[in-house]
Amino acid sequence: GQQVMQIPQYQHVQEGEDFTTYCNSSTTLSNIQWYKQRPGGHPVFLIQLVKSGEVKKQKRLTFQFGEAKKNSSLHITATQTTDVGTYFCAGYNAGNNRKLIWGLGTSLAVNP
Amino acid sequence: SAVISQKPSRDICQRGTSLTIQCQVDSQVTMMFWYRQQPGQSLTLIATANQGSEATYESGFVIDKFPISRPNLTFSTLTVSNMSPEDSSIYLCSVVRDNPYEQYFGPGTRLTVT
Repeated sequence: GQQVMQIPQYQHVQEGEDFTTYCNSSTTLSNIQWYKQRPGGHPVFLIQLVKSGEVKKQKRLTFQFGEAKKNSSLHITATQTTDVGTYFCAGYNAGNNRKLIWGLGTSLAVNP
Repeated sequence: SAVISQKPSRDICQRGTSLTIQCQVDSQVTMMFWYRQQPGQSLTLIATANQGSEATYESGFVIDKFPISRPNLTFSTLTVSNMSPEDSSIYLCSVVRDNPYEQYFGPGTRLTVT
């Protein structure tokens, strides 16, 4: 079945360092979404990318969608302690916008 | 956006009993889902709750174990039946807004089965 792999599984950084998580799908996605889950919280939608090669920015966060619409990345510049949490990518299979396929998540820890 | 509430927020239950989790949305939504999330793990879709018809279950989940009701477009329940310790998990309901299909999650129900 379709899989969405995410790496790394865990990342520890010093505050101020950059962080990147990568997401790879075995099949073409119609779009890719990113969610953040704080410890003890529920996933919260961050952004959706739809177009091949699309790049979107939210303050210190930069999201990219690959040209083949099979991979994506989230880059955080100059991490802060408020960035702590697990970042999930999730995508809809091309032609099926009813079931999100979730990545395994990347847990980010930031040392002050 | 959507405001979603879940009840109970947490519970400790004995093996063999059942627990019903309620999910209430502040506005009508077409698509509503139930997920399970083990601590430190990703989300696993249990089923899609369909209004007016039976829920659509994912592989590995069956109606006898996880009966779902969806009486209207703002409310759904998930029952975890004949519980065992393996059912200990966080159960999340979510809804989808049409285009761009982003999902909004309830706060979750933390279930511990002893």
